[in-house]
Amino acid sequence: DVKVTQSSRYLVKRTGEKVFLECVQDMDHENMFWYRQDPGLGLRLIYFSYDVKMKEKGDIPEGYSVSREKKERFSLILESASTNQTSMYLCASSTGQGNDNEQFFGPGTRLTVL
Amino acid sequence: SQQGEEDPQALSIQEGENATMNCSYKTSINNLQWYRQNSGRGLVHLILIRSNEREKHSGRLRVTLDTSKKSSSLLITASRAADTASYFCASNGQGAQKLVFGQGTRLTINP
Repeated sequence: DVKVTQSSRYLVKRTGEKVFLECVQDMDHENMFWYRQDPGLGLRLIYFSYDVKMKEKGDIPEGYSVSREKKERFSLILESASTNQTSMYLCASSTGQGNDNEQFFGPGTRLTVL
Repeated sequence: SQQGEEDPQALSIQEGENATMNCSYKTSINNLQWYRQNSGRGLVHLILIRSNEREKHSGRLRVTLDTSKKSSSLLITASRAADTASYFCASNGQGAQKLVFGQGTRLTINP
């Protein structure tokens, strides 16, 4: 059974803390994505990666960075967490082969920044 | 932003009725996909329709695509309480690996 896992379901951090959100997929997928989801705004793409050590900015990259040192792992980093980064964070992966690029999602991490 | 739009934002129907959700997108696409999200969880892929297809079925799901109007619809027939969830469309631009998601329709099935 294909799987995308995220390191935490719920996380509470303080303003100014450095936050790491980890995502691991076991499907040998080339593509990995980080989204945030907020009420009324849908899913917004933060960063994505086509391959190891490759990264591309999405629609809202400000305040975030990412790391992809291994194919199966894609990390989202909040260098200095702020209250407006309180949100649900969703990781996804997809194969880079062909055009039918169905994405597989993790269960999400609900981050609260106090 | 190139996000698509979904209509309605919320839909409440009785169990056994059919539910129809609509999606519009802005750019030329390779395919359009529909996903479901149960409350507080990740998204699950439901169905994909390619740009050269007009209609596709999967169990109780029927998806249509009108590329001239840049729109798609998802029909769930004979709805069940377990269909209660948010439904998102996502379009894949030509040559692109990333998806652009709509804002979703929140569907409630009343027993």
